[in-house]
Amino acid sequence: KAGVTQTPRYLIKTRGQQVTLSCSPISGHRSVSWYQQTPGQGLQFLFEYFSETQRNKGNFPGRFSGRQFSNSRSEMNVSTLELGDSALYLCASSLGRGTYNEQFFGPGTRLTVL
Amino acid sequence: GDSVTQMEGPVTLSEEAFLTINCTYTATGYPSLFWYVQYPGEGLQLLLKATKADDKGSNKGFEATYRKETTSFHLEKGSVQVSDSAVYFCARDGGGSEKLVFGKGTKLTVNP
Repeated sequence: KAGVTQTPRYLIKTRGQQVTLSCSPISGHRSVSWYQQTPGQGLQFLFEYFSETQRNKGNFPGRFSGRQFSNSRSEMNVSTLELGDSALYLCASSLGRGTYNEQFFGPGTRLTVL
Repeated sequence: GDSVTQMEGPVTLSEEAFLTINCTYTATGYPSLFWYVQYPGEGLQLLLKATKADDKGSNKGFEATYRKETTSFHLEKGSVQVSDSAVYFCARDGGGSEKLVFGKGTKLTVNP
């Protein structure tokens, strides 16, 4: 069974641009969550999607948005990029909601903003 | 707010040494607790978890016990190997949602 896949793996953008990251969950998984990992702030929750609906959102500005498609694939978008958005963005999928459903993480997309 | 605090790294040990990585949490109610491991260039993998007080999670020789009285979930391994070199994250759940609250991570290096 294929794991969580994220594309692209690496991305370089300049300030002011926007970016879209993609996450394909494990087949059959319906919940997708996104996290930002930086050396200074560590791992921080961005948002969670289940059945194409955002169920939970972390403390990030409105420049960060996401969506989930009917096949459970998810995308996140960051507009008007800032230098501080440079990070590893991790996607995690699980069968359903709740902590009895283990979250499986993808390898991440490393975004560098110049 | 709810948070997770784990010991600062990095931690450097010799092979076969005993490992402890401390983790404490604050939370309302009784969260589920987790240890994740991140190998270089990879995403996070669940190492072990405990869902209620006094539960012991274990996997690959690692253990952690959910201590409600001390709000702790310390990770231990009796004899580390070079292949255990990685970053370890303690985490708690967000109370019914998929949100995980992570500690800052502890980098472990095991030398032969």
